[in-house]
Amino acid sequence: EAQVTQNPRYLITVTGKKLTVTCSQNMNHEYMSWYRQDPGLGLRQIYYSMNVEVTDKGDVPEGYKVSRKEKRNFPLILESPSPNQTSLYFCASGGLPEQFFGPGTRLTVL
Amino acid sequence: QKEVEQNSGPLSVPEGAIASLNCTYSDRGSQSFFWYRQYSGKSPELIMFIYSNGDKEDGRFTAQLNKASQYVSLLIRDSQPSDSATYLCAVKKNTGFQKLVFGTGTRLLVSP
Repeated sequence: EAQVTQNPRYLITVTGKKLTVTCSQNMNHEYMSWYRQDPGLGLRQIYYSMNVEVTDKGDVPEGYKVSRKEKRNFPLILESPSPNQTSLYFCASGGLPEQFFGPGTRLTVL
Repeated sequence: QKEVEQNSGPLSVPEGAIASLNCTYSDRGSQSFFWYRQYSGKSPELIMFIYSNGDKEDGRFTAQLNKASQYVSLLIRDSQPSDSATYLCAVKKNTGFQKLVFGTGTRLLVSP
């Protein structure tokens, strides 16, 4: 079954404690991206990757890092999370028009 | 001005009616337009995309594009309670590879 998986699905953490949200796809897609979704602001792109070792900033990259060492995985790293990074995060895989979203990770930073 | 604007709703329609969801965009050079459905607590899923002026139909869904007016709409015929969700309009930017800009979504409520 074609899918995009994210872990964890829910996370409550404290300010400054480094965390990683994993994203994995089994569709052999070259293009992957990360979004955050906030009420009143919609989905905004954080980072994207066109292929292994090729990443670039989206609209809201501050406070985030990514890496793409393998085609299937695209982790999102928050090295020093802050409360303004409390949000719902989605990983997406595949190029337009068919872009598949993962199930989402709800992050709360206290 | 937001790049992609949608009325947040909720838009309430009775079962069986036509639901009309609207979206405007600011970049006149945009070429590709997408509609996603998002159920509460779930991830967005693509339901329609349109590239050319006019109408594009897929089952009960029709996407309409008017580039001169910078306007995209989604019509849902014979609305069902299961159509109750938030509908996100997205526009592909001319700058940035595969980059989508999303509206904030319109919440649709279909009452039995």
